[in-house]
Amino acid sequence: DAEITQSPRHKITETGRQVTLACHQTWNHNNMFWYRQDLGHGLRLIHYSYGVQDTNKGEVSDGYSVSRSNTEDLPLTLESAASSQTSVYFCASSGGGAGNYEQYFGPGTRLTVT
Amino acid sequence: AQSVTQLGSHVSVSEGALVLLRCNYSSSVPPYLFWYVQYPNQGLQLLLKYTSAATLVKGINGFEAEFKKSETSFHLTKPSAHMSDAAEYFCAVRPMDSSYKLIFGSGTRLLVRP
Repeated sequence: DAEITQSPRHKITETGRQVTLACHQTWNHNNMFWYRQDLGHGLRLIHYSYGVQDTNKGEVSDGYSVSRSNTEDLPLTLESAASSQTSVYFCASSGGGAGNYEQYFGPGTRLTVT
Repeated sequence: AQSVTQLGSHVSVSEGALVLLRCNYSSSVPPYLFWYVQYPNQGLQLLLKYTSAATLVKGINGFEAEFKKSETSFHLTKPSAHMSDAAEYFCAVRPMDSSYKLIFGSGTRLLVRP
């Protein structure tokens, strides 16, 4: 069965370190998204991609970057981790094309920045 | 800009009672609408989606939602709550800017009392 996976599931890091969160999907979807989820803020879009070599900023992109070198993967990098980036991060994908707007979510990565 | 409003951050019902979770959207044209469920420590799972084919949409686990254009609403219902329905529920809308992004509501936590 097709799926979307995230790794690691839990990560503790120190302020100032670079961190990369992995996202891998086997749906062969063109579109991939990164969100963060915090109490009181719901889901906020960080970055998204509509295909290989395409990346776009979401509403909370400062301090984050992504790259899309193949269809399956969209890693999220925190260039210099800050305590404000402690959060749960979700990756999602969608197929694209007319009507295929529903997104499928990974299990999440809980990141703690100390 | 389009938005989604979920009334009530917490809803509590007794087991066996009707579940009603409210969602209102802002849009000048019929949008694509979604309901997702999130169980503790998991990613979001698609419950159902509205794509203009029918105003009453049936989803998984006995949930359904009715699209009412006159009220710009897409409320989620289930006739009889089960303990396993306790989770957070998110309404989402696809913005009419031809993108594949989704705009999520702030979520409603459903508590089911025995």
